[in-house]
Amino acid sequence: QVQLQESGPGLVKPSETLSLTCTVSGGSMRSYYWSWIRQPPGKGLEWIGYIYYSGSTNYHPSLKSRVTISVDTSKNQFSLKLISVTAADTAVYYCARELGVGSPLDYWGPGILVTVSS
Amino acid sequence: QSALTQPRSVSGSPGQSLTISCTGTSSDVGGYDYVSWYQQHPGKAPKLMIYDVTKRPSGVPDRFSGSKSGNTASLTISGLQAEDEADYYCCSFAGSYSRSFGTGTKVTVL
Repeated sequence: QVQLQESGPGLVKPSETLSLTCTVSGGSMRSYYWSWIRQPPGKGLEWIGYIYYSGSTNYHPSLKSRVTISVDTSKNQFSLKLISVTAADTAVYYCARELGVGSPLDYWGPGILVTVSS
Repeated sequence: QSALTQPRSVSGSPGQSLTISCTGTSSDVGGYDYVSWYQQHPGKAPKLMIYDVTKRPSGVPDRFSGSKSGNTASLTISGLQAEDEADYYCCSFAGSYSRSFGTGTKVTVL
């Protein structure tokens, strides 16, 4: 059974960089796409972007200038970096797996709340 | 790339059926048969309930069904049960290798 787990700081200061890691267990990262999704408190889901296990990426147009997703298959991990954060980036951040472009997000991590505040 | 439109809330009594709509455009819902639906209980991660418009993952009760007509997809819950009370989100492939989520619908079991 594939499991995903997000980790990283729960508090980030405004203008700084948000960095999160997702650790994948119970399966290989090979041949899958790995996504980040976020959910501001009390609001809906927003897709951030994905990385293919080989390293190709795609990002939400509104976040593209601030987001980088990377992968380390030797550690079974992929990561999210979001620069120049503001209070609007406060959200629960989820990592998830998808089989291919257009495919559903079939496995999700439990999520991690990141608050942007000084 | 805008969010797909869902009703804010829907409600029904146990045993009844209800339907949640998800309206997009020809660039997302109407253009591809890649619509999925997710159930989210409070404080939990979303759970995949329907994919590719009509398909159910293993373990999802057959009370849940999906359909699509034009730019609008729908999720129907038949024989509503108390544990179905949750938030539901649709999601569609939106071209250019991206995806859009719906605004979310709160289902209340009366």
